[in-house]
Amino acid sequence: AQKVTQAQTEISVVEKEDVTLDCVYETRDTTYYLFWYKQPPSGELVFLIRRNSFDEQNEISGRYSWNFQKSTSSFNFTITASQVVDSAVYFCALSGMGAQKLVFGQGTRLTINP
Amino acid sequence: DSGVTQTPKHLITATGQRVTLRCSPRSGDLSVYWYQQSLDQGLQFLIQYYNGEERAKGNILERFSAQQFPDLHSELNLSSLELGDSALYFCASSGPNPGFVAEAFFGQGTRLTVV
Repeated sequence: AQKVTQAQTEISVVEKEDVTLDCVYETRDTTYYLFWYKQPPSGELVFLIRRNSFDEQNEISGRYSWNFQKSTSSFNFTITASQVVDSAVYFCALSGMGAQKLVFGQGTRLTINP
Repeated sequence: DSGVTQTPKHLITATGQRVTLRCSPRSGDLSVYWYQQSLDQGLQFLIQYYNGEERAKGNILERFSAQQFPDLHSELNLSSLELGDSALYFCASSGPNPGFVAEAFFGQGTRLTVV
C-alpha cells in the first residue's frame, strides 16, 4: 500500500524566514511520482511540482526548492525568504506507475506572520 | 487558472437529497478524477474516468456514482445524502496517457454542505 506522511501538522514562522516542509512516503513500486500542491485559503489546489522516482536531482524554482532523497523516502519542500502570501496548506502526494490515483498526505498548514 | 471548471462552487442541500456535481476538464485531457476533501478523512480519491470509461475506483460510496460523457465532461452524483457527506469535492484532469499520472490539475472544488 502507498502512504504519505507529513508529520508537521502546523508551522508558523515570521516573514523572511526559511521553512522546510517534510514529506515521507512509502511505496513498493519502483517507478512512482511525487507531487506537491498548495491549497491557499481560497480553497483551490495549486500544482507546484511533479518528480519521478528516477530523477533525484534537486529542483529550484524561485524561492521554492525540493529535495528528493530516495534513500530516506523523503521529498521535502523548502521555501526561502518566506512571504505572507505563502500562507497555505501544503500537500505532498504520491502516485505509482499505472495507478492513476494520487495518495495525499494530511497536509501541513503553513502560516507566515508579518 | 488550472483550466478545470467545476460547477457549482457551493451547494447546500438537505439530508436524503440527491445532487450532481459537474466538471469540465482541461482542453486535451482525457482523464478526469474525483476527490473528496473532508476534515476527518483528508483528501481521498473517489474515482477516475478515462475517455468515457471508468479506469480506477477508490473509496467511493455506493450512494455515489460518476460518469464521463462523450464531450469529456464528467458528473459526480451523490444520493441519499448524509451529514457526513459534507465536504469539498474536487475534480482533476490529466492526460492524454492513462498509464501514469501527469501533472494533475485541479478545479476550484464544489463545497457541499448537507443540513
